[in-house]
Amino acid sequence: AQSVTQLGSHVSVSEGALVLLRCNYSSSVPPYLFWYVQYPNQGLQLLLKYTTGATLVKGINGFEAEFKKSETSFHLTKPSAHMSDAAEYFCAVTNTGGFKTIFGAGTRLFVKA
Amino acid sequence: DTEVTQTPKHLVMGMTNKKSLKCEQHMGHRAMYWYKQKAKKPPELMFVYSYEKLSINESVPSRFSPECPNSSLLNLHLHALQPEDSALYLCASSQDWTTRNGEAFFGQGTRLTVV
Repeated sequence: AQSVTQLGSHVSVSEGALVLLRCNYSSSVPPYLFWYVQYPNQGLQLLLKYTTGATLVKGINGFEAEFKKSETSFHLTKPSAHMSDAAEYFCAVTNTGGFKTIFGAGTRLFVKA
Repeated sequence: DTEVTQTPKHLVMGMTNKKSLKCEQHMGHRAMYWYKQKAKKPPELMFVYSYEKLSINESVPSRFSPECPNSSLLNLHLHALQPEDSALYLCASSQDWTTRNGEAFFGQGTRLTVV
């Protein structure tokens, strides 16, 4: 069965600092991995996805993630945090059948001025 | 148009009321989903429709009744809910549930409060 684990329920960074949100996955088949962002009282917006091919994936708003099969990881990074990045971030994987998106517990990102 | 539109945005209902949540997409997607999200938790899958047929019911209580009138619309009928059903209800769609690389597009959600 597929699952994802997000390390750290809360991450706090200063504006302009590196953002690193950690995600490890478990999958019995080649995984399709996603990062979603959720602002307060909003739906989820896709930041980026990994399906096949290049392991470094670039997304919207300057975010990127690297798929590392040997480490079963898919960490999300951004070189310089902006106040508008403060939100909840969910790492996700689709299940074997493809119909279900399995979410991690989420990481709340705080950005300090 | 890459939007999934949900109405209403907010809903307060009594435990004896009947209400419906609506979801609409015009991206030609053939899979549509209902998720429930409690505060500070990730979304949990409730139902999946594929080609207008109910494909997955994640053991959801019968007080929640989904309906897919056509390929663009998805409804969730609510009846005799409990206060613990208060949550953000998210609708999503994807191109086709059999293509695993198709990401889900989410609506803004309906914030439901049961009193």
